[in-house]
Amino acid sequence: AQSVTQLGSHVSVSEGALVLLRCNYSSSVPPYLFWYVQYPNQGLQLLLKYTSAATLVKGINGFEAEFKKSETSFHLTKPSAHMSDAAEYFCAVSYNTGFQKLVFGTGTRLLVSP
Amino acid sequence: GAVVSQHPSWVICKSGTSVKIECRSLDFQATTMFWYRQFPKQSLMLMATSNEGSKATYEQGVEKDKFLINHASLTLSTLTVTSAHPEDSSFYICSAIPGLASGQFFGPGTRLTVL
Repeated sequence: AQSVTQLGSHVSVSEGALVLLRCNYSSSVPPYLFWYVQYPNQGLQLLLKYTSAATLVKGINGFEAEFKKSETSFHLTKPSAHMSDAAEYFCAVSYNTGFQKLVFGTGTRLLVSP
Repeated sequence: GAVVSQHPSWVICKSGTSVKIECRSLDFQATTMFWYRQFPKQSLMLMATSNEGSKATYEQGVEKDKFLINHASLTLSTLTVTSAHPEDSSFYICSAIPGLASGQFFGPGTRLTVL
């Protein structure tokens, strides 16, 4: 079955520090990959998506992610954390071109301290 | 662009009553919408895929008669939780696709509390 694993339910960083949120997918066929952010009591906002073009994908709010087929990974990074980045982050995978069916990881809560 | 709204954002109801949640695509037409359920501190679980003008496709384990989905127009899908019970309390989120390869855009969610 298609699945995506997010290592670490919580990640804590200091303001200004590097943010690294991990995501691995299980498939021999490269999927389409997404990162979403969810603020409390809100829906999901798309940060970025990988659709088999460039392996380094730049998204909104200074986030980027790199698709590494050899590692089946799609980790999310940001060079310098802001307090406003504190939220829940979900990695998701889809295997059809219309992105019709998304399978979500369990989420990682990012905590940013002053 | 690609804004999805939900109404209501928060609803409390008594056990045994039915609740309707609306999902609207505000600036685009969506032939397909999705309904998700999210329990506290957990991920989103797809409940069903809603196609305009046809019956919804439910995921395994989701009760069709309990969670009624209607996609009456290209901009509106509704989820009705029938005979709600406390275990139905959850955060319900819808999403829609503006076009091929655009990805899903999510609504702000509806928090349902059943007393």
